[in-house]
Amino acid sequence: EVQLVESGGGLVQPGGSLRLSCAASGFTFGAYAMNWVRQAPGKGLEWVTTISTGGDDTYYADSVKGRFTISRDNLKNTLHLHLDSLTAEDSAVYYCAKSRFTMAQGFDPWGQGTLVTVSS
Amino acid sequence: QSALTQPASVSGSPGQSVTISCTGTSGDVGGFDYVSWYQQHPGEVPKLMIYDVTYRPSGVSNRFSGSKSGNTASLTISGLQAEDEADYYCSSYTRRSTLVFGGGTKLTVL
Repeated sequence: EVQLVESGGGLVQPGGSLRLSCAASGFTFGAYAMNWVRQAPGKGLEWVTTISTGGDDTYYADSVKGRFTISRDNLKNTLHLHLDSLTAEDSAVYYCAKSRFTMAQGFDPWGQGTLVTVSS
Repeated sequence: QSALTQPASVSGSPGQSVTISCTGTSGDVGGFDYVSWYQQHPGEVPKLMIYDVTYRPSGVSNRFSGSKSGNTASLTISGLQAEDEADYYCSSYTRRSTLVFGGGTKLTVL
């Protein structure tokens, strides 16, 4: 069974940093592009970033470019997201999601999410 | 990148069919056959229902179908059931090698 388990969320002050992780199991992690999607409380889904299978190619939403960094460790089956220069607008549940193959072809499945709250 | 346009809400009675639209541009929906649809029940994780415009993942009911015409994609749910009541989101790959979601549609089963 494919499982994605996020961790690392919490309360952080504006301007602060945070590192999210996603532990993957049940599939050949290195064969799939991986993604982060966020959802602010009561709001819709927002794509955040995608990383290619080998980690050589990364893609970011304009809203996070230059502040967030996605990375992966294919030996440890783990996906990471480093969040920097955080603002209140970054408060959301952050979901880790596996691409069917590439980022274009749908995300399945999704992890349970980890909540990031940016507040003083 | 502007979000794709979806109706805020749709409704239908059990047994009826409903269609949710998702309008983008030639730079996303109209330019690629990479539209996906997700179902999200309150408090739950999104679930992939349709990928590559028309394909259903294994385990998804054949009451769900997808289509596209020009810059607008559509999700049709036939034989509406109470369990279909949820939020639905479309997404599309874009020419900037990014992904964009729609604003979401709340489906109410009357």
